[in-house]
Amino acid sequence: GENVEQHPSTLSVQEGDSAVIKCTYSDSASNYFPWYKQELGKRPQLIIDIRSNVGEKKDQRIAVTLNKTAKHFSLHITETQPEDSAVYFCAASDNSGYSTLTFGKGTMLLVSP
Amino acid sequence: KAGVTQTPRYLIKTRGQQVTLSCSPISGHRSVSWYQQTPGQGLQFLFEYFSETQRNKGNFPGRFSGRQFSNSRSEMNVSTLELGDSALYLCASSQQQGPYEQYFGPGTRLTVT
Repeated sequence: GENVEQHPSTLSVQEGDSAVIKCTYSDSASNYFPWYKQELGKRPQLIIDIRSNVGEKKDQRIAVTLNKTAKHFSLHITETQPEDSAVYFCAASDNSGYSTLTFGKGTMLLVSP
Repeated sequence: KAGVTQTPRYLIKTRGQQVTLSCSPISGHRSVSWYQQTPGQGLQFLFEYFSETQRNKGNFPGRFSGRQFSNSRSEMNVSTLELGDSALYLCASSQQQGPYEQYFGPGTRLTVT
């Protein structure tokens, strides 16, 4: 089955800096890669996603890049703000027709003012 | 549209008991997936339902079961509770089956004593 590795487990940055979180996946059949943000005590929120036919996608301060050959994808947050502090999860879904997501272990992002 | 809702939000049960959790998806969403979230294992897939049929199942013992009703609402049941079943149980709904955006509910926090 699919295996998703996520690094780093913790990331501390100063407000205004950029943050990058990286994930690798094992199943070359995976074709959908969402990112979720989970604040303490709250539900995971879908913040951006990318499909295997696209190499990069941006949404304001957030971008995701995908390298299918290397089987890795990354989340980039620019101009970080304290409210970006949360746990971020990457996930992968294959093209089996199911909705199953395999998640990475998460990255706790701490943005200091 | 109203988001995904889950009831109850908190549960305390004793080892050996059974529990039923409920999930109401976003209106119009027909796919419901369940995940278990724990600090050690992260987010793990339990099962997925589409049109009242279980389409995929994760690597959990048979004590974990679920069902989906004709209105797409879903329930999951855990029998003979063990201490290790203490977790946040999240459901997610998606408009269609397959690699599409999944939106999570707030979760049910289950504590087994």
